Amino acid sequence: AQSVSQHNHHVILSEAASLELGCNYSYGGTVNLFWYVQYPGQHLQLLLKYFSGDPLVKGIKGFEAEFIKSKFSFNLRKPSVQWSDTAEYFCAVNEKGSGNTGKLIFGQGTTLQVKP
Amino acid sequence: EAGVVQSPRYKIIEKKQPVAFWCNPISGHNTLYWYLQNLGQGPELLIRYENEEAVDDSQLPKDRFSAERLKGVDSTLKIQPAELGDSAVYLCASSLVDLANTGELFFGEGSRLTVL
Repeated sequence: AQSVSQHNHHVILSEAASLELGCNYSYGGTVNLFWYVQYPGQHLQLLLKYFSGDPLVKGIKGFEAEFIKSKFSFNLRKPSVQWSDTAEYFCAVNEKGSGNTGKLIFGQGTTLQVKP
Repeated sequence: EAGVVQSPRYKIIEKKQPVAFWCNPISGHNTLYWYLQNLGQGPELLIRYENEEAVDDSQLPKDRFSAERLKGVDSTLKIQPAELGDSAVYLCASSLVDLANTGELFFGEGSRLTVL
């Protein structure tokens, strides 16, 4: 069965530090890839997505992610985090070309705490 | 534009009692999803609707869970009877197009259920 693995469960950084959150998936076919963010007290919202083309995608608030097909990875990065980036981050995968194209599989999430 | 609306936001019940959650998706979104999110985990799909039709309910525990989406707009998710292990956040999401075709999910704030 398809699965998504996020390696870091809880990350603590100081402001201005660089961020990289790992995400790996198990599906061997073509996929769409997403990062969602949930700020404290708010709903899940899309941070960025990859469907095709340039494997380096840019999202809101200075975030970017790189799709490396050979490594089945879609890591999230930000060069300099801010206190307002404190949130929970979820990687998600949707498989293409199957009978279940409407299903989004989420990782277990990474809690990011940024210290001012 | 109004987002996905869910109610109630919080519900505390005793085990064996019934409970129902309601979701109003974004206007015009034909696809509606119910997700379950346990503490410290990512969301897991319970059921997906395309208009009025449940196209994926393979993860819905049908002995105690039921859902409906009358008229292809609002949806309700019911648990009867509730068990202690049902304590979780129940998320509703909607999308305009299928995920495989550049769609994205829009989430509500969730309904947090506590079963005592």
